[in-house]
Order: sequence, then C-alpha cells, then structure tokens
Amino acid sequence: SQQGEEDPQALSIQEGENATMNCSYKTSINNLQWYRQNSGRGLVHLILIRSNEREKHSGRLRVTLDTSKKSSSLLITASRAADTASYFCATGGNTGGFKTIFGAGTRLFVKA
Amino acid sequence: DGGITQSPKYLFRKEGQNVTLSCEQNLNHDAMYWYRQDPGQGLRLIYYSQIVNDFQKGDIAEGYSVSREKKESFPLTVTSAQKNPTAFYLCASSIAGGIGDTQYFGPGTRLTVL
Repeated sequence: SQQGEEDPQALSIQEGENATMNCSYKTSINNLQWYRQNSGRGLVHLILIRSNEREKHSGRLRVTLDTSKKSSSLLITASRAADTASYFCATGGNTGGFKTIFGAGTRLFVKA
Repeated sequence: DGGITQSPKYLFRKEGQNVTLSCEQNLNHDAMYWYRQDPGQGLRLIYYSQIVNDFQKGDIAEGYSVSREKKESFPLTVTSAQKNPTAFYLCASSIAGGIGDTQYFGPGTRLTVL
C-alpha cells in the first residue's frame, strides 16, 4: 500500500477561505514533500519539510509535521480560484531504499 | 530554458504494439524516473535511473522497458506485454538519486490503447 495517504480525498471551498489537507504515513521518513498537480499536467514541487522540522512556511502555504503521529498537514490560506488542483504528499523514507512514495492526493476546488 | 520535456503529449496505440515515450531534461540531473498515474490516483514508480547506463525496476515494471544511454534522456517503452497500458505517464528528474530528493516533472504523456 502507499506510504502517504491524504485526507480528505476532495475538498470544495469558497475563494478567500483556508484549505487544510492532511497526510498520514506508515514508516519513518527523512522528509516529506507536498506537490501540486493541475488537471492533465505534471506535478510541481511546493515545499519540503525535514523530519527534524515541525513547521515550515512558504508564501500562503504552511506545512506542519508530527513525526510522533506520522502525519503532516498543508494549509493554504486565503485561497484563490487558481489554487484549484490536486495536492499530493510524498515521503522520502529511511526504509524502502531511496524511493519517494506519493499518496493518492486531495482534489481541491476553490469556487470564485 | 531549463526543464524536462515529454513527447508526445497524446499517444494512441493498437493492442499488440510497442510504443516509446520520450523524456528529455536539460537540468543536468543525474537521476530520472518514470511514473504511471491512473485516474484519481497517485503516482506509481515504473523505473528509475540514478546514473547513466544504470536503471532499476520500480513497483510496476512488468511490461515496460527503459534505457539510459545519455544523461539527458530516459525513454520508456510500453510493450505489448503490458496488459492495461492506458494511463497518464509522467517523467521526472532530480539532482541525484538521494532519499526524498525534490523531483521535477515533465508535462506528461497520455497513452490510450485502442
């Protein structure tokens, strides 16, 4: 099964609201990344958080990591219609070799 | 412009045919990857290469083949042995094949079997 699992599977909000997506994983990790995918396109890297970090910010993005709960969250503040996309967490693990393992993603729809 | 390109964008294949998907990068990255994405799902690793002339099977390599003769290029062949090849294929690269390295993705190739 996949290492990272996002929750919820889909999220619909109004423009200006905040969007929170969660990711849970099973084994120990070196880092966790969040990627964004617009429909029918490739993935774009958003942010990386290392296992010894608890929180990281980048513009309107805020990522938290709780290694004791094996979970991470991505918060997008003041969402815009252009934020409509799928968001994936990806874990780089200590186990399983070098592979980065992607979750199934959260589909975010921001209504204008 | 630095980046990673894939061609073609759309590809149609008849059953029993082999097809090759192109992936080129000019980022001077050592590592390259091929993923398959099915509708509403995440990415599954097909093959990866950490260095020229070397590649390793990922989680779903059966029915696929790759080569890495040049640092810039990592073509993927979908063979007739792949029973359900209709999917979106994504190529990616990273500076090195380290654990959890940031990956840079191409725009993808959508393969449809007729």
